[in-house]
Amino acid sequence: DIQMTQSPSTLSASVGDRVTITCRASQSINSWLAWYQQKPGKAPKLLMYKASSLESGVPSRFSGSGSGTEFTLTISSLQPDDFASYYCQQYNSYSRTFGQGTKVEIK
Amino acid sequence: EVQLVESGGGLVKPGGSLRLSCAASGFTFSTYSMNWVRQAPGKGLEWVSSISSSGSYIYYADSVKGRFTISRDNAKNSLYLQMNSLRAEDTAVYYCARDSSKTTVVTPLQPWGQGTLVTVSS
Repeated sequence: DIQMTQSPSTLSASVGDRVTITCRASQSINSWLAWYQQKPGKAPKLLMYKASSLESGVPSRFSGSGSGTEFTLTISSLQPDDFASYYCQQYNSYSRTFGQGTKVEIK
Repeated sequence: EVQLVESGGGLVKPGGSLRLSCAASGFTFSTYSMNWVRQAPGKGLEWVSSISSSGSYIYYADSVKGRFTISRDNAKNSLYLQMNSLRAEDTAVYYCARDSSKTTVVTPLQPWGQGTLVTVSS
């Protein structure tokens, strides 16, 4: 199975900061990578797909990049609504796997 | 409005069984692949199982293979997860999630239901 490794596990930041989360795959997944946001007690929400495509309705301060095995999610200017956990997920294979998550906390 | 509503969670003893259901509405259920994803308390997301739109193709995570069975009833717009031989490590919120687009290839998951909690404990 393809393993997904996210870093950091926790990130402390302030409103207005530029934030970057990294996701690495154990083998090439081309651009078949999605990013999800999850708030406490809520279901995950799709933010990005195909590594860099923004899901409809998601603010443009979110962006994604990468291909192969290295990917990043960037929030250009952190807003109060963005404090949440973020997960990457590969969908290169049917056994889709998630990264372990990154919690973005208020500094 | 697209909606997924899970039910059937609860407290079950180790070795026991439970059947989860997911009622879908707001879209043509029979044309989308469907999935179960779980999240143990305070932990990350784990993909559990997927089923194609017709039910012909089924996939499981190694952690549940041989114990869990995914199925669907397109006439009832419903997805199911039969869980047998439950273990403490199966304790989690179980989410039903739809493939984001109706294709024959793997896609991201959107939308998701609100989840149903399964607790395996004696």
